[in-house]
Amino acid sequence: NAGVTQTPKFRILKIGQSMTLQCAQDMNHNYMYWYRQDPGMGLKLIYYSVGAGITDKGEVPNGYNVSRSTTEDFPLRLELAAPSQTSVYFCASRPGTGYEQYFGPGTRLTVT
Amino acid sequence: GENVEQHPSTLSVQEGDSAVIKCTYSDSASNYFPWYKQELGKRPQLIIDIRSNVGEKKDQRIAVTLNKTAEHFSLHITETQPEDSAVYFCARNSRPGGSYIPTFGRGTSLIVHP
Repeated sequence: NAGVTQTPKFRILKIGQSMTLQCAQDMNHNYMYWYRQDPGMGLKLIYYSVGAGITDKGEVPNGYNVSRSTTEDFPLRLELAAPSQTSVYFCASRPGTGYEQYFGPGTRLTVT
Repeated sequence: GENVEQHPSTLSVQEGDSAVIKCTYSDSASNYFPWYKQELGKRPQLIIDIRSNVGEKKDQRIAVTLNKTAEHFSLHITETQPEDSAVYFCARNSRPGGSYIPTFGRGTSLIVHP
């Protein structure tokens, strides 16, 4: 199993540009999450999904959108990038039973 | 509230010493309390977790204790080694809208001096 994969690893965006961060998992996990991690801070939940077709907002959803059309994929969309969105983004998943989260390697995003 | 308070933010110890990191929360419905280790530039990885019906759990040099009445839980690392140096995050599950979602502490940077 590849586990949780994320692309790209790094990206630099100009203010106002848009992009999609990709996340996929091959463990047939129901739950998927998107977090952002700012320097010296913990992980802040952006959006999460409890299964295909179901998504919900986390603590910091403004400026982001998600979709969950399949169990495997959970892309995160930034429509109008702002410098405040400069961060490291982690995707995670967990099975329907059990609470352990499996994290992807992260995407480092810089908005200038 | 939704927050998890984690202390200290930085912990510096000598190799072989013990390290203790503490987290407090304020949600009696929380049922799961994991600890993650994150090395520089890497993803967080679960090192130990505890459910709300258990008071203590050990795994070799690592232990977690939970006091549900006082709403705090702690990570204990004994006989620290330089490879234990990393940022450690506590978390706990809350259930604001029906599904359990995690809330993370801000992290503790542990430095183990050889």
